[in-house]
Amino acid sequence: SQQGEEDPQALSIQEGENATMNCSYKTSINNLQWYRQNSGRGLVHLILIRSNEREKHSGRLRVTLDTSKKSSSLLITASRAADTASYFCATGSGAGKSTFGDGTTLTVKP
Amino acid sequence: DTGVSQDPRHKITKRGQNVTFRCDPISEHNRLYWYRQTLGQGPEFLTYFQNEAQLEKSRLLSDRFSAERPKGSFSTLEIQRTEQGDSAMYLCASSLAGQGRGEQYFGPGTRLTVT
Repeated sequence: SQQGEEDPQALSIQEGENATMNCSYKTSINNLQWYRQNSGRGLVHLILIRSNEREKHSGRLRVTLDTSKKSSSLLITASRAADTASYFCATGSGAGKSTFGDGTTLTVKP
Repeated sequence: DTGVSQDPRHKITKRGQNVTFRCDPISEHNRLYWYRQTLGQGPEFLTYFQNEAQLEKSRLLSDRFSAERPKGSFSTLEIQRTEQGDSAMYLCASSLAGQGRGEQYFGPGTRLTVT
């Protein structure tokens, strides 16, 4: 069974708008990672946030982590058509493997 | 700096045949992972290695599946007596253990179609 659940399952926005995706998980974690996957391609690592961190930034990406609520969010600011992809969160327990959710499909309309 | 590579990229096989996939991780990475992904789902963990030791296997990995990582470099994933339910994208990832690292870097995947 999957640990993380992304919400919403699908999101459609206009270019230039911000996109927010959420991830909830069930058990305690060591870290949480966000990945992007373009249709039929491999996953691209976006950002990793550790359990003792609350917020991280990378370019137009902002990730927050609330361990008390067992949730994380990924914000993409000033979205572009090229951001169209599926976005996955993956939780790591520190033992090696990551457990993925089923993703949010983001469509950015030009 | 080359990323994770996988071979072949696509494989079509008939039910009952055996298939083998190869993954070459990023050279300095000591951890290597195999995942399986079906359409509309996130990747599901299959197994991972630290160096040449296979440290964890998912219950998804039936006895028809075997993975090896001889010498702690490349890895192979073999599926024996393939079934139509094995059709999926098989993803390999690698990472550097320790020092608080955890980022996994994925290869492009091998798409398996069992007819």
